[in-house]
This record gives sequence, structure tokens and C-alpha cells, in this order.
Amino acid sequence: EPEVTQTPSHQVTQMGQEVILRCVPISNHLYFYWYRQILGQKVEFLVSFYNNEISEKSEIFDDQFSVERPDGSNFTLKIRSTKLEDSAMYFCATSWDTEAFFGQGTRLTVV
Amino acid sequence: EDQVTQSPEALRLQEGESSSLNCSYTVSGLRGLFWYRQDPGKGPEFLFTLYSAGEEKEKERLKATLTKKESFLHITAPKPEDSATYLCAVRGNAGNMLTFGGGTRLMVKP
Repeated sequence: EPEVTQTPSHQVTQMGQEVILRCVPISNHLYFYWYRQILGQKVEFLVSFYNNEISEKSEIFDDQFSVERPDGSNFTLKIRSTKLEDSAMYFCATSWDTEAFFGQGTRLTVV
Repeated sequence: EDQVTQSPEALRLQEGESSSLNCSYTVSGLRGLFWYRQDPGKGPEFLFTLYSAGEEKEKERLKATLTKKESFLHITAPKPEDSATYLCAVRGNAGNMLTFGGGTRLMVKP
């Protein structure tokens, strides 16, 4: 069964450092998303990406965040200068039409 | 702004004890209500999509129903392996993103 693959599964980084989270979408899916879940809180939408550009973004997705699809397969989320409050599970999701399928997440810990 | 509220926050059941989880929502133009299962430390696993009031979907011991204001996830004769957090999410007219509720943590004891 096709699945969304995320790497790394865990990432520990120093405050102020840049991190790149990677996602391999399900083949043939057209819509790509990043969500995050702070421990004990709701899953929150960050950004959606379609046709090689951002289609929607939330208030959380400020100038320190960026997304791209550098090689036509991987979909990445970059956080330029991490803060303590960026510590969370980051989920990539992809969809062909309606149903979004999620990866297993990257646990980001900023120290 | 789309909003989703799930209740109860936690539910303990004995194996075989059927129950229902509630998801209340307000959304501008519902374009889908979604149920996901989430195991600890894992990503949400897709279960169902419902689009219009009166619609029902079933999968094994789970049945999801939808009204104009809420959705129910009915669990019939649950087993310990059904223990997980069940998430409800909506998609409205604002875009393709999902707005999630806080989830119901279900614990089924043998």
C-alpha cells in the first residue's frame, strides 16, 4: 500500500539553527501539506502546496518557514532559525483529490 | 473560522462495550468531514470521509454518521486493539486544509 514517507523520524537541533524536514509523497498525488502537532495539542495546518507553489498558509507559517519541491519527488519544509516553541511533531500529508494521507511524522526538538 | 470540538476527551471501555464519540463542527460550506485514527507517536491514519447529512460509512467495528452540526463515530464491540486517539477534521470553503478537533483518546480494556 502506498504511503507518505518522512525523514528524519527524530531531529534535535540547537535554537537558531536551520532544519530541513523531508517528505516523499504518494506517487501521483497532486496536493501536499505540512501540519504540526505540539505535544498534547491539536493538529494544526501550516501550508499547502499545489502545482509548484503555495496555495494556502496559516498564520503559523511566517517568514522563518519555507517549502519547496526541489527535485519533483521530495517535498521539504525548512525552518530557518529554530525557536524553542518550534518543538513539535511535523506531519507531511498528500492527496490526489479529497482524502489526505499522512506520514509518520518528524519529531523536532529544539534545545 | 472553522471550528471542531470533540467529546469526550477520553473514554475508557471494557472490551465488547459499545459506545459513540462525538464531533461537533461549525464550518463555512462543508466540503468533507474526516475521521482519522492516531496511535501514540504516529501520524493520523485515514478512516472515513463524509460529505452530506445522513451519510454513513462503515469499516469493521466502526461506523461514522453525519448531521448538519455533528458527526458520530460508533464503535461496536470494541477490542483492545481499537485503543487509540480518534481525530475529526473538516474541510470548508476556505481552502483544502483540514481543521482538526482535539481528539478522543479511547482506551479499551480486556
